[in-house]
Amino acid sequence: DQQVKQNSPSLSVQEGRISILNCDYTNSMFDYFLWYKKYPAEGPTFLISISSIKDKNEDGRFTVFLNKSAKHLSLHIVPSQPGDSAVYFCAASALLSGYSTLTFGKGTMLLVSP
Amino acid sequence: GAGVSQSPSNKVTEKGKDVELRCDPISGHTALYWYRQRLGQGLEFLIYFQGNSAPDKSGLPSDRFSAERTGESVSTLTIQRTQQEDSAVYLCASSSHAGGGSLGYTFGSGTRLTVV
Repeated sequence: DQQVKQNSPSLSVQEGRISILNCDYTNSMFDYFLWYKKYPAEGPTFLISISSIKDKNEDGRFTVFLNKSAKHLSLHIVPSQPGDSAVYFCAASALLSGYSTLTFGKGTMLLVSP
Repeated sequence: GAGVSQSPSNKVTEKGKDVELRCDPISGHTALYWYRQRLGQGLEFLIYFQGNSAPDKSGLPSDRFSAERTGESVSTLTIQRTQQEDSAVYLCASSSHAGGGSLGYTFGSGTRLTVV
């Protein structure tokens, strides 16, 4: 049973446009959400996160939106750059329950073309 | 060291052999996690260490898998009698639980295990 779902295995976007990556979760105990970026042959690197008490968190070109009632979050990258091409993983944790282990989605491969 | 170090980076083994994968976490990080990523799949949790104890082993897929951590530092993941379905990238992460956006998680580059 997948508790964190990324239903789009891949996404292609032109440089300068907006990239929107989506993530859905089923476990209502999740209260902290993170996005990771992964290049081939490297480990995932942290990108941005959001607590369930917020509905938006912004860091430069990256914004994460959280819709708790829909159990849905999205990552917006504006403007997209070729260097953003990577696999993006959504992850969730139940921090308030003292559970820091992350549950990951399957990832979305983003390709930004010049 | 500056980051999480994993060795070997690549390992090819014959079906039925045992393998050991090593993780050197960031110095001072009390929490250590093992994940694996099989082809086309997401990161799958295996085991969590707090200090040298493993309060959560729920992700270990079978009794062929075991892990230990010593000195609140190095961890070894052992897979006995490897099977082809064990082929995956095994990722280690450590965390200081110091808070901050990333929860202090830092991943290593992983060990790519291929069972032939």
